Order: sequence, then C-alpha cells, then structure tokens
Amino acid sequence: EVQLVESGGGLAQPGGSLRLSCAASGFTFRSYSMHWVRQAPGKGLEWVSYISSDSSTIFYGDSVKGRFTISRDNAKNSLYLQIYSLRDEDTAVYYCARETYGSSSDIDFWGQGILVTVSS
Amino acid sequence: EIVMTQSPATLSVSPGDRATLSCRASQSVSNNLAWYQQKPGQAPRLLISGASTRATGIPARFSGSGSGTEFTLTISSLQSEDFTFYYCQQYNNWPRTFGQGTKVEVK
Repeated sequence: EVQLVESGGGLAQPGGSLRLSCAASGFTFRSYSMHWVRQAPGKGLEWVSYISSDSSTIFYGDSVKGRFTISRDNAKNSLYLQIYSLRDEDTAVYYCARETYGSSSDIDFWGQGILVTVSS
Repeated sequence: EIVMTQSPATLSVSPGDRATLSCRASQSVSNNLAWYQQKPGQAPRLLISGASTRATGIPARFSGSGSGTEFTLTISSLQSEDFTFYYCQQYNNWPRTFGQGTKVEVK
C-alpha cells in the first residue's frame, strides 16, 4: 500500500524556520518525482515545489522561491521541505505528493497533509 | 505563469443530474491537464489525467474532455459522495498551476 506521511509541522513564529518531512512507503521511492503542494485554510490548492527522482531537477513556485528548499534522501525514502523566513501567508496544510511515473505528469498520490501555522 | 480559471465557483445540482465543470488555461497546455476531487478534511484524489483518461478506480460517471485552453469535467449522474470540491491543474509548464476550484453543492 502506497503511503506518504508528513511530519514536522506545527506552530512557528514569523521569520522563523521549519523543516517538513515526508516518509514514503509501499513503492520504489527512488524512481518517482515528488511535489509539495499547500492549501491555506479555506482556500484552494497551491503548487509549491518539485524534485525529480534523482534530485537533478528542482522547481519552485514564485511565492516561495528563495525561502523554501526541497530535497530528498532516496536511501531513507524521505522527502523534505526546508522553510525559511516564515510569513503569515505560509500558514497552510502542506501535502507531500507523488508524481505519476513517467515524464512530466500529474500527481497520482497525496499524503494526508501537515498543518503549519505561522503566528506570533 | 499559466493561469487556470475554473467556472463556476459554485455549481448547484440535484442528485442524479449532470454536472459540467469548466477549466480554462491562459495559454495552451495541450492535453496536460488533470482533475482532482477533494473532500473536506481530506487530501485531493486524482480523477482524470491527460484531460480525458480516468485514473484507476474512478467511476465511469466521471469524464473529461478538451485540449489546448478549454477543458470540461462532466459528472453524468451525481451521487451523494460527489458533492464536494474539484480542481484542475496544468502540468505542461513550470510552475505547475491549479484552478481556484469549483464547489459542487446540492440544489
């Protein structure tokens, strides 16, 4: 069974940092590209970042570029999102998501999400 | 950035009726368009990829069509579990972008 389990969320202060993790199981993690997608309370989905299976290709959304860093450890079946200089508008549920196997595709599986709340 | 615009924001439909949701891209995305369903408090679920291919396990009442800039998700006969939120997403260009969503509610 495919599982993506996020952790590392919680309450953080504006200007602070946070590291989200995503533990993958039930599939060959090293073969799949991965994404982070977030959803602010009561709002729609916002794509955040992408990393290819071998970490050679990385992309970020404009609103997070320069403040977020995506990475992965294929030996540990884990995906990460390091968030710096937190802002109120970073408050959201963050989803770890798997891209459908193959080239440049949709997202076929999502974790349950982890809430990040930025507040003083 | 490609802007994805969904309409309507809210669609009021009676159970058993047909629902038609629209998604428009600000420039061509070919057929690199996906539809997701999201129920409150849950993660999104892939419904349609490649604009018209149902994902594994998705009932036949869900269908997608379109290419280029105009896309449609049709739910042929709404069941109680279908009253929720739907999002389109283009994966033709970076950054990936989602539409703002359509809420399908009971009329």
